[in-house]
Amino acid sequence: QKEVEQDPGPLSVPEGAIVSLNCTYSNSAFQYFMWYRQYSRKGPELLMYTYSSGNKEDGRFTAQVDKSSKYISLFIRDSQPSDSATYLCAMRLYNFNKFYFGSGTKLNVKP
Amino acid sequence: EPEVTQTPSHQVTQMGQEVILRCVPISNHLYFYWYRQILGQKVEFLVSFYNNEISEKSEIFDDQFSVERPDGSNFTLKIRSTKLEDSAMYFCAIRDRGAQGNQPQHFGDGTRLSIL
Repeated sequence: QKEVEQDPGPLSVPEGAIVSLNCTYSNSAFQYFMWYRQYSRKGPELLMYTYSSGNKEDGRFTAQVDKSSKYISLFIRDSQPSDSATYLCAMRLYNFNKFYFGSGTKLNVKP
Repeated sequence: EPEVTQTPSHQVTQMGQEVILRCVPISNHLYFYWYRQILGQKVEFLVSFYNNEISEKSEIFDDQFSVERPDGSNFTLKIRSTKLEDSAMYFCAIRDRGAQGNQPQHFGDGTRLSIL
């Protein structure tokens, strides 16, 4: 079983739609959760970071963590064509340095 | 803008040759990482480096790989004898230690390594 599972997509939505991106994980000891956005030929760019269950909002982005279900989500409101990218979830155990990444979901927002 | 600069942006090397990939953080950081991303695949952890020594490494990080921070600033990844399957994007990442030790990583834009 993979530590972090993420639907690779691609996910295609019209501009203005609400996007839901998800990851599941197998290790209940993961404590820290991140979402990155990666444009083609660029490094992952940190979008959201949280270390507790519940919701965290930043502008059009909301990160949700459900530790009981081992499930995290990223919601994008009012999606824009510039949001078209690959979205990576990542997580880390407490007191360990290694980050575990999902395989990424490719998002295409059509004008 | 990324907090780290990686050089070169693209490296083309003959199989069997040694390569050195460099990472230059903008300011001092505590934790350094190297990741690899083969085209179309997931980001894979290679190694983490803290306090001038390796703190964790993956099974990918075998004897042909090494890391060092020779001048206290640059952070390098060396591949001694490259193989075709080493062709990938290599990302450097940095992390600080916050009050609760839970800071996220920030990535550079990567070096694209092509082995011929």
